[in-house]
Amino acid sequence: EPEVTQTPSHQVTQMGQEVILRCVPISNHLYFYWYRQILGQKVEFLVSFYNNEISEKSEIFDDQFSVERPDGSNFTLKIRSTKLEDSAMYFCASRERGGPAQYFGPGTRLLVL
Amino acid sequence: AQSVTQLDSHVSVSEGTPVLLRCNYSSSYSPSLFWYVQHPNKGLQLLLKYTSAATLVKGINGFEAEFKKSETSFHLTKPSAHMSDAAEYFCVVIRPWFGNEKLTFGTGTRLTIIP
Repeated sequence: EPEVTQTPSHQVTQMGQEVILRCVPISNHLYFYWYRQILGQKVEFLVSFYNNEISEKSEIFDDQFSVERPDGSNFTLKIRSTKLEDSAMYFCASRERGGPAQYFGPGTRLLVL
Repeated sequence: AQSVTQLDSHVSVSEGTPVLLRCNYSSSYSPSLFWYVQHPNKGLQLLLKYTSAATLVKGINGFEAEFKKSETSFHLTKPSAHMSDAAEYFCVVIRPWFGNEKLTFGTGTRLTIIP
């Protein structure tokens, strides 16, 4: 069964450093998403992406964040200058054209020191 | 705006007994609703989905949920709990489908199974 994959599974970085989180969505899916879950809190929407552009973003997704689909398979989330409060589990999800269900990857746990 | 409220943060049941995880939703439009499950150190797995077809929805691993508009509820049930059901369960709502909706998650219910 096709799955969304994410790398790395864990990342530790220093405050102010740039990080790139990578995702490979399910191959025939066209809509891509990033969510995050701060420890002990709800899963929160960050951004949706379709047809090589951002469709919607939350207030969390400020200028420090960017997304890109650099090739036909990868979907990345970049945090330019990480802050302590960026520490969270980041989930990538994808969806096919025909249905509303989003399929999630296993997540990347980001720790900013 | 849409939201979901999961009424129990933690539910414990004995193995072999029924499971009930409660969810109420609020939405300005007819919503689509989902249940996701997260096992320890794993990603979010789609259990089942309601998209305005049948109100009783069957999912994986023997789980079901019933959409009740009059009660604005979408409770998750299973007739007989198994040890492998121990996990965190999230009720999720989305806007009517326009192509790029964000999911809105509940706070989660941690299900513990007592041997």
